[in-house]
Amino acid sequence: SQKIEQNSEALNIQEGKTATLTCNYTNYSPAYLQWYRQDPGRGPVFLLLIRENEKEKRKERLKVTFDTTLKQSLFHITASQPADSATYLCALDMGGFQKLVFGTGTRLLVSP
Amino acid sequence: DAGVIQSPRHEVTEMGQEVTLRCKPISGHNSLFWYRQTMMRGLELLIYFNNNVPIDDSGMPEDRFSAKMPNASFSTLKIQPSEPRDSAVYFCASSLSGESQPQHFGDGTRLSIL
Repeated sequence: SQKIEQNSEALNIQEGKTATLTCNYTNYSPAYLQWYRQDPGRGPVFLLLIRENEKEKRKERLKVTFDTTLKQSLFHITASQPADSATYLCALDMGGFQKLVFGTGTRLLVSP
Repeated sequence: DAGVIQSPRHEVTEMGQEVTLRCKPISGHNSLFWYRQTMMRGLELLIYFNNNVPIDDSGMPEDRFSAKMPNASFSTLKIQPSEPRDSAVYFCASSLSGESQPQHFGDGTRLSIL
């Protein structure tokens, strides 16, 4: 079965720096990968999607890369702000029918 | 725009009792998902529906769990009888049909079984 690994330890960075979060997976490469943000007491919120034939996707200060050779996706937040502090989850499709498998998430803390 | 609405937000009940969680998806969305989130196991898909029909319930832990979607605007997840190990946050999400569609989550029901 597909296994997804995200850094379980919190990532602490200073405001203005770039945050880089990692999502590694085993087994087959998914057709697409999604990133979500989750705040305490709230449900996950969709941020970005990247397909297997796309190397990179950008949205404002967010950038996602997808390397099917390394079986890895990187999620970058440039010019980070304290409001970016949250847990970030990656999710992989399971080969169709909209079935996603989520990683356990990485908590990001941005200090002023 | 109303998002996905879940009720109740919190539920505390004693072991053995029946628990019913409710979800109203976003209007026009025809896929609905039930997830469970715990610290140990993260976010796990329990079951999902497309056009009110259950497509995959392989994530449902055991027969004590059941889910229904009687119409396009309402779904329930029922646990009977409940056990302390069922304590978790349960999320409902909805989306448009089709691969790669983003899922829109409600704010969850925090369930505690004593």
